[in-house]
Order: sequence, then structure tokens, then C-alpha cells
Amino acid sequence: AQSVTQLDSHVSVSEGTPVLLRCNYSSSYSPSLFWYVQHPNKGLQLLLKYTSAATLVKGINGFEAEFKKSETSFHLTKPSAHMSDAAEYFCVVRPGSARQLTFGSGTQLTVLP
Amino acid sequence: NAGVTQTPKFQVLKTGQSMTLQCAQDMNHNSMYWYRQDPGMGLRLIYYSASEGTTDKGEVPNGYNVSRLNKREFSLRLESAAPSQTSVYFCASSKGTGGQISEAFFGQGTRLTVV
Repeated sequence: AQSVTQLDSHVSVSEGTPVLLRCNYSSSYSPSLFWYVQHPNKGLQLLLKYTSAATLVKGINGFEAEFKKSETSFHLTKPSAHMSDAAEYFCVVRPGSARQLTFGSGTQLTVLP
Repeated sequence: NAGVTQTPKFQVLKTGQSMTLQCAQDMNHNSMYWYRQDPGMGLRLIYYSASEGTTDKGEVPNGYNVSRLNKREFSLRLESAAPSQTSVYFCASSKGTGGQISEAFFGQGTRLTVV
């Protein structure tokens, strides 16, 4: 069985400071991992994806994530938060050849001026 | 390029009423999905269709039916709406099936309230 745990339901940072959103996964098979962002009353947008090509994945808007197999983690980071980053972020896993995605419960990011 | 289009965007139903949520994608994707989003629970899969002509249950299928009308369209039907089905519904599609690694593209969502 596969699952994904987002370790913080809410994260607050000041504008210009680093962002860290934590995600751990469990999967019986070599997974694909994704981060999605959802702005208020909007659909979900793909930030980045891990597909086993490289452990450090760069995404849009300055976000990146590092796949650490030994720690079963896929944490999302950004060096400097911007007000427009305020949104909900979802870590998502697709184990092996599975047809569907499994979502974490989400992390609400607040960016303070 | 429209991507994934859902209709309607908002709907209020009375308990026991029925309705169909429509979804269409113009990316020639094989797989389509219906999710519901509830606070603190992420997105949960209701049904999915790996290819035209096939549908499978997801995590929370009770109270719903689906139809993969053709490659572009995947509809979700509530036969007798219940307050527990108040949620935001998202349709999504992805390019691959089986072993192909592919992210999903999402529609803008349908906000459904059952009173």
C-alpha cells in the first residue's frame, strides 16, 4: 500500500525567508512523486515531479525538491518566499505502475509581510 | 488550449436530487479521474478511467456513478444527493496508463453544496 504524509498542516514564513514543506511517503514500489499548488478557489497546478532521473528536482517559481530514498522523503523548498506563494501545497505519490495518484492532506503556506 | 474543463462551477442541490458533473479534456489523454476535496483530507479518488471504455472504483466510490462517454469526456453522476457529498469536485486527466509516468492535469473544480 502507498501513502503520503505531509508533516505540517500549516506553515508561516516571512516574505524573503526560506520555505520548507515536508513530505514523507511509503511505497512498495519505486514511486513517482509530485508537488502541486492550489491557490484559493483555483484548480491544482503542478510545481514539479520526480521521475527517477535526478534526485534534486527543480520546478516552477523557484521551488525545488529533493528525493531521499533512505529517508523516504520528498521535501519542498524555496530560498526566498514571496507573497504570491501563499497557497495550499500537496505532496502526491504514484507508486510504480499504479494508475492513480495518492494525495497528502495538504500544507497551507502563509507568507507574512 | 483549454486543458480540462468542468461544468458547472457551482451547484446547490436538495437532498435526494440527482445531477451530473461534466468533464472534458482536449489533450488527447488516455486516463481521466474524479476526485473530491474536503478540508484537511487532501484529494480523494472517487473513480477513474484508465482508457476509453473502462472505469474503476477509487477510494470513495459510494453514492457515485461515472461514464466515460468517449476519449474526451468523463462524467460523474450523483443519483440521490446527500449532505455528506457536499464538497469540491475535481476532474483530472493524464497522458499515460500503466507503467508510463505522467502527471495529472486538473480542471478548475465544481463546488457542490447539498442542503
